[in-house]
Amino acid sequence: DQQVKQNSPSLSVQEGRISILNCDYTNSMFDYFLWYKKYPAEGPTFLISISSIKDKNEDGRFTVFLNKSAKHLSLHIVPSQPGDSAVYFCAASADNDMRFGAGTRLTVKP
Amino acid sequence: KAGVTQTPRYLIKTRGQQVTLSCSPISGHRSVSWYQQTPGQGLQFLFEYFSETQRNKGNFPGRFSGRQFSNSRSEMNVSTLELGDSALYLCASSLGTSDFRRDTQYFGPGTRLTVL
Repeated sequence: DQQVKQNSPSLSVQEGRISILNCDYTNSMFDYFLWYKKYPAEGPTFLISISSIKDKNEDGRFTVFLNKSAKHLSLHIVPSQPGDSAVYFCAASADNDMRFGAGTRLTVKP
Repeated sequence: KAGVTQTPRYLIKTRGQQVTLSCSPISGHRSVSWYQQTPGQGLQFLFEYFSETQRNKGNFPGRFSGRQFSNSRSEMNVSTLELGDSALYLCASSLGTSDFRRDTQYFGPGTRLTVL
């Protein structure tokens, strides 16, 4: 069963605009959430994370929002840059387990 | 500082065989985690090793096993291969705090396993 879902397999935005990547989860026990970025032929790299005690975490152009009641998190990239084009994975964890979404391919057009 | 390395990069096996994958973490990192990535499923956590002990385990059958050596290098073994085991297997290393989820994990390039 997929406990973490990224329902949009792809997203295309114009350079300078906001990119919003979404992620839904089903397990209410998840208490820590992460976003990873993956370029072709490379392993994923950690981007940003958020604990369930927070609803927002910012790091430069990247902000993650967590809505626990809706079991939804999102990653905002503002402003989007062509170098942000990659596959983005969200992940959720609880105790010893960690589940990832299937990824969303972001394309930022110049 | 050298990154996480995985060998081999590509592997082709047939059903019923067994396979061993290797991961060398970043120097100084004591935690190694393994993940499976298949099309449409994203990454799935297999297990995490710290100080030669399996500390965390995901929801995979016993055919998937691993070990870690005293130098933190880790191996993953899959026995009795099935077609569905075809995937990209990634390992990640981290410093190894008490909660591996909160560590920043550094991923290797992966081993692409094809089971025929």
